[in-house]
Amino acid sequence: NAGVTQTPKFQVLKTGQSMTLQCAQDMNHEYMSWYRQDPGMGLRLIHYSVGAGITDQGEVPNGYNVSRSTTEDFPLRLLSAAPSQTSVYFCASSQGDAAAQYFGPGTRLLVL
Amino acid sequence: AQSVTQLDSQVPVFEEAPVELRCNYSSSVSVYLFWYVQYPNQGLQLLLKYLSGSTLVKGINGFEAEFNKSQTSFHLRKPSVHISDTAEYFCAVRGWGGSEKLVFGKGTKLTVNP
Repeated sequence: NAGVTQTPKFQVLKTGQSMTLQCAQDMNHEYMSWYRQDPGMGLRLIHYSVGAGITDQGEVPNGYNVSRSTTEDFPLRLLSAAPSQTSVYFCASSQGDAAAQYFGPGTRLLVL
Repeated sequence: AQSVTQLDSQVPVFEEAPVELRCNYSSSVSVYLFWYVQYPNQGLQLLLKYLSGSTLVKGINGFEAEFNKSQTSFHLRKPSVHISDTAEYFCAVRGWGGSEKLVFGKGTKLTVNP
């Protein structure tokens, strides 16, 4: 099993550009989440999904869109990048609310 | 809703000394509790979790944590740390049933010095 994979590892964008961060898991987990990590802020939930076709907002959803067309994939879209979205983004998956989340290696995003 | 407070943002210790990283939570429902570790430039890795039952939970790398419901705490301990334990540690809480949201504390950076 590859676990949770994320692409790209690094990305530099200009303000106003759009892009999609990819996340995939091969563990057949129902639950998938996107977090951003900023210094001194811990991890903050952006969006999450409890199954294919179902998504919901987390703590900091503005400026991001998600969709869940399959169990395996959960892409995160930045519609119009802003410098405030410079961060490290982590995708995670889990099976059941008692289960721990498995994290991907992260995507480091710099918006100029 | 749940919240997590990690009381120390940075904890420096010497190698082979004991360490305790503190975590307090608040919740109106019963919770599951987790500790994660993040090594430099890596993702998060589960150290241990409390779901129910025994309040003393043992995890990987010699770490353990004790759930104290009356004090709403879940402190992480290790009796003797190594240089390789230098990392950032995150406490997290998730409410029973319904919401699947995992709420993280802001992290404690543990630095083990020789």
